[in-house]
Amino acid sequence: KAGVTQTPRYLIKTRGQQVTLSCSPISGHRSVSWYQQTPGQGLQFLFEYFSETQRNKGNFPGRFSGRQFSNSRSEMNVSTLELGDSALYLCASSFAQGMGEQFFGPGTRLTVL
Amino acid sequence: GESVGLHLPTLSVQEGDNSIINCAYSNSASDYFIWYKQESGKGPQFIIDIRSNMDKRQGQRVTVLLNKTVKHLSLQIAATQPGDSAVYFCAETVDAGNKLTFGGGTRVLVKP
Repeated sequence: KAGVTQTPRYLIKTRGQQVTLSCSPISGHRSVSWYQQTPGQGLQFLFEYFSETQRNKGNFPGRFSGRQFSNSRSEMNVSTLELGDSALYLCASSFAQGMGEQFFGPGTRLTVL
Repeated sequence: GESVGLHLPTLSVQEGDNSIINCAYSNSASDYFIWYKQESGKGPQFIIDIRSNMDKRQGQRVTVLLNKTVKHLSLQIAATQPGDSAVYFCAETVDAGNKLTFGGGTRVLVKP
């Protein structure tokens, strides 16, 4: 069974640009969550999608957005990139909400110059 | 607890010894706790979980202890092996939901 896949794995952007990251959950999983990981702030929850609806949201500005498609694949978008957005963006999938174990992908390393 | 992550504590342990990693969580309403292991270049990997109606849960070479009175969680790794070298995170959530709040992490270095 394939794990969570994230594309691209590495990305370099400049300030002011926007970026879209993609996540394909494990087959059959319907919940996708996104996290930002930085050395300074650690792992922080961005948002969760289930059945194409955002179910939970963390404390991030509106520049961070996401969506989920009918096949459960998810994308997150960051607009007007700032230097501080440089981070590892992790996607996690689970079968449903409140079903315990989440499986993480390898992440997308975003560098903003 | 809330992730701070700036200063990652490190636990150095001799191969074959037992390791104990501690975590203080922040939300008294949290009812589901998970330990994750993250190796360099990879995403966090699930190790073991525990619900708030339990005090202890055992897995293969790992044991998680939960003390709700002082909001403390620990992970014990028996007979630590070189492959256990990684950063370990505790995470908490309410109603066993998918919105995880991670601790700052502990780096474990296994010395041969």
